[in-house]
This record gives sequence, structure tokens and C-alpha cells, in this order.
Amino acid sequence: DTAVSQTPKYLVTQMGNDKSIKCEQNLGHDTMYWYKQDSKKFLKIMFSYNNKELIINETVPNRFSPKSPDKAHLNLHINSLELGDSAVYFCASSQAPWEQFFGPGTRLTVL
Amino acid sequence: AQSVTQLDSQVPVFEEAPVELRCNYSSSVSVYLFWYVQYPNQGLQLLLKYLSGSTLVKSINGFEAEFNKSQTSFHLRKPSVHISDTAEYFCAVSNPNSNYQLIWGAGTKLIIKP
Repeated sequence: DTAVSQTPKYLVTQMGNDKSIKCEQNLGHDTMYWYKQDSKKFLKIMFSYNNKELIINETVPNRFSPKSPDKAHLNLHINSLELGDSAVYFCASSQAPWEQFFGPGTRLTVL
Repeated sequence: AQSVTQLDSQVPVFEEAPVELRCNYSSSVSVYLFWYVQYPNQGLQLLLKYLSGSTLVKSINGFEAEFNKSQTSFHLRKPSVHISDTAEYFCAVSNPNSNYQLIWGAGTKLIIKP
């Protein structure tokens, strides 16, 4: 009965490839987020969607594009992957903005 | 602009000893304050929060944090740690005037020594 789920859990790919990470929440929340956590555990917000509308778009290369087909899903597509994109990507959702529920993370390794 | 400082990147402590994880913030307006915990290979989860009222807030697993407005701090404490408390702890602030966006600290890794 997972609240926030992400697929895949691990993603290993070559530089230059395009990949997607999917996120789904079954909590009925209005807002969803994508975070990037680097190897030093530093957490950086990338995007936030509220009811399928983009509300936060931090300084992120335009190779990263979020897509929200409906309120329960927020996918992240990454074009032309680079070595520096290697990180753990977390999806989260919330009703109250301060209480965010995180998914288990997707560990992306770019070779 | 708000910012959050967690001075210690790692805190090693013996099992059953007390621990304090420090968090300081800067803000020109009142903010809400939070501690999140990330257990190994998992996502973050809310540990405790201060929105208003009593400045001392407690979690169900024995952690507590005290909001100190004059020192702009929100330190996390536990009187006796257990091996299961091994995790990364993140302090965050939320500005009610800025869509309540969370501003995150850099995290503190709590290492429990047997």
C-alpha cells in the first residue's frame, strides 16, 4: 500500500541517453515535487506541481522536463544525460506544503 | 531570504548516550520549522514540526526539538540514542509568505557507535 512510489529504483545508463523516472502518489495530494540528492546528501528541489500546474521551477538545465498527466502522477524526463546527473532523485507529494511524503528514490548512475 | 545551517555534517555518539543535532536559521519573517529523518536507502520522512504554540515539540520515538526565537535555533535532542536512530537528519524552514516552500539544511549524519 505504498503512498509515493517511483520506478525504477535503480537506473544505470550511458552518457547522452534519454531516460524517464515515473512517480505516483495515492494520497490524494494536490502538490508533487522532484528533488535531486547528491553524493553528499545535499537535497535540492527541482520542480513542484500543484494540480498539474508547474509552480516551482528551480535553476535546472532544460534537459530536465517534468510532466504531470494527472494529479497523482509526476514524471521526470532527462535528455542527453551527463555524468553530473548521477544522483538519487526523490519524488514527494504534499497537501500541506511543509509535510512532504517522499518516495523511496531512484538512484541514477550515468557512465 | 531564508537559509538553514546545520553546523555538523556528522555526529558520532555511543549507544544510549544523549545527542544534540544543531540547526540555525536566518529569516526576516516568522517561519515554520521542521526536522526530517532519512534512514539508510530510504526517502525522507517528517520527524517533528513547529508551527506555533509550545516551543518544545516531541516525536513519538523520543526526539524533541525546541524553537528558540532569540537564537534563531531549532536544535534536535534525544536523551538516549539507539542503534536504530542511525540516519541522516535534515532541518528545514518553511516561509508562509513564499508558498511555504521548504528551505533545507545540508543534513547531519548521526552515527551510533556500539
